[in-house]
Amino acid sequence: SQQGEEDPQALSIQEGENATMNCSYKTSINNLQWYRQNSGRGLVHLILIRSNEREKHSGRLRVTLDTSKKSSSLLITASRAADTASYFCATASRGTSYGKLTFGQGTILTVHP
Amino acid sequence: DTGVSQDPRHKITKRGQNVTFRCDPISEHNRLYWYRQTLGQGPEFLTYFQNEAQLEKSRLLSDRFSAERPKGSFSTLEIQRTEQGDSAMYLCASSPSDRGAEETQYFGPGTRLLVL
Repeated sequence: SQQGEEDPQALSIQEGENATMNCSYKTSINNLQWYRQNSGRGLVHLILIRSNEREKHSGRLRVTLDTSKKSSSLLITASRAADTASYFCATASRGTSYGKLTFGQGTILTVHP
Repeated sequence: DTGVSQDPRHKITKRGQNVTFRCDPISEHNRLYWYRQTLGQGPEFLTYFQNEAQLEKSRLLSDRFSAERPKGSFSTLEIQRTEQGDSAMYLCASSPSDRGAEETQYFGPGTRLLVL
């Protein structure tokens, strides 16, 4: 079963705007990761945030984590048409010694040129 | 290309037939994962290998499914007596084992299975 939910399910914006996606999860986690998937392709890792971290940046990406609310958000700034893809959050549960991931249902992002 | 590769990329089969998929991980990666993704959903964990040992299997992996990783290199996933509900994208991922649970998994392009 899926770990949690992502919100919104679909997001449509214009190039240059910011895109924010939210993820909620249910269990205690070791870390939370965000992946991108272009249509019909494999997943590409974007960023990992540990359970003791609150915010992390990578280029145009900013991830926040609130373990008290069991939620995370992914912000993509100054979006580009090439950012069009599905974005998934994935959690590694606390207590596992390896990286088994539980994914959310994803947010479909469309960036219009 | 030194990424994760999967073969075939697409497979169409008739209900009741057996199918086998192959995954070649990144060469120095000890850990290998199989996931299944249905349309509009996120990937779901199927099974995990540490070298040649299969250490965990999901309840999703019924007795019609079997996975192997001989010699700790490539892996195969076989589905026997396929059913229409097996139609999905089957994703393979690999990772090194030096970071515990804090690791990046590198995904292959997937094998899309359609059972008619």
